[in-house]
Amino acid sequence: NAGVTQTPKFQVLKTGQSMTLQCAQDMNHEYMSWYRQDPGMGLRLIHYSVGAGITDQGEVPNGYNVSRSTTEDFPLRLLSAAPSQTSVYFCASSYSTGVSYEQYFGPGTRLTVT
Amino acid sequence: ELKVEQNPLFLSMQEGKNYTIYCNYSTTSDRLYWYRQDPGKSLESLFVLLSNGAVKQEGRLMASLDTKARLSTLHITAAVHDLSATYFCAVDRGGSNYKLTFGKGTLLTVNP
Repeated sequence: NAGVTQTPKFQVLKTGQSMTLQCAQDMNHEYMSWYRQDPGMGLRLIHYSVGAGITDQGEVPNGYNVSRSTTEDFPLRLLSAAPSQTSVYFCASSYSTGVSYEQYFGPGTRLTVT
Repeated sequence: ELKVEQNPLFLSMQEGKNYTIYCNYSTTSDRLYWYRQDPGKSLESLFVLLSNGAVKQEGRLMASLDTKARLSTLHITAAVHDLSATYFCAVDRGGSNYKLTFGKGTLLTVNP
């Protein structure tokens, strides 16, 4: 199992550009989430999904879109990049509660918006 | 709004010493998570504490949970340099493990 994979590892965008951060998991997990990590802030939840076709907003959703057409993939789209979106982005997946409570995190994407 | 506070945020220790990191949270939750993060790396799960009074130990790290006090502790025994990392606690939101609220993290440096 590859676990949770994210691409790209690094990305530099100019203000106003759009892009998609990719996330995939091969553990057949129902739940997937996107977090951003900023210095001194811990991780903050952007969007999450409880299954294919079902997504919802987290704590800091503005400027981001998600969709989940398959169990395996959960891409995060930046619609019009802003310098405030410079951050490290982590994707995570997990089983439904009651089976296992652990979240598995991907390696992260480091995004810089200039 | 669920808030999670860790202290201290920075901790410099000598090898061989003991110390405790504290994690307070503001609303009722039965599950508390501890993660470790090395510089430039992802998060590694250390412990998942599922109920009041839960205690888990792995090597020199021991975590406990008091849901009535809304407090979890991560105790470090006889610290070694390899434990240098940032430690995060996180709490479920709404009893859902896919919606975690994180503390700001504790940067631990263990000096020889």
